[in-house]
Amino acid sequence: IAGITQAPTSQILAAGRRMTLRCTQDMRHNAMYWYRQDLGLGLRLIHYSNTAGTTGKGEVPDGYSVSRANTDDFPLTLASAVPSQTSVYFCASSDSSGTSDTQYFGPGTRLTVL
Amino acid sequence: GQNIDQPTEMTATEGAIVQINCTYQTSGFNGLFWYQQHAGEAPTFLSYNVLDGLEEKGRFSSFLSRSKGYSYLLLKELQMKDSASYLCAVRDSNYQLIWGAGTKLIIKP
Repeated sequence: IAGITQAPTSQILAAGRRMTLRCTQDMRHNAMYWYRQDLGLGLRLIHYSNTAGTTGKGEVPDGYSVSRANTDDFPLTLASAVPSQTSVYFCASSDSSGTSDTQYFGPGTRLTVL
Repeated sequence: GQNIDQPTEMTATEGAIVQINCTYQTSGFNGLFWYQQHAGEAPTFLSYNVLDGLEEKGRFSSFLSRSKGYSYLLLKELQMKDSASYLCAVRDSNYQLIWGAGTKLIIKP
């Protein structure tokens, strides 16, 4: 693995189903983030984690949950999917001890909820 | 509220220079980022400004004026592969990134 990986690449999901989007990084970054990207809007932060064992809510957390059991993994769960959660989801990570704390992104998961 | 403004779309000619502007109103300022995003791909980091002035990196330069809440990304010697969306983001007082909607740059031969 080099950088950040996300799975699945894309998914079509029936409304009401539970879904977990996976994110793994091998850069030993302490901070990780989940964003959604919708046409015409900027990236919006869903949840973040500054270090393993801690998580925080972003701008649009409702309907989503996360966990951070270790440094490398940061899964995002939709407990009961709704059509408004149709979006492209990006996971990102950063080394907050660095000068700029630049975020690096995974390839994204395209999710469609019907 | 917090706001990042960028033009929605710009068109430029191969070999030319283009300037993409970004204005921001945020609660606090802890740095400004520019990212490039090709269609269907992830955003990739281009530049970071935290102090006023120009940062040059090859064909790309980024400028910041904190007093004016303004930045621009300057792309020189445009190539067809520069066709992409360019995202401006500001880190606010909570140390979270606030993102603009992006500027779609179309390069014509």
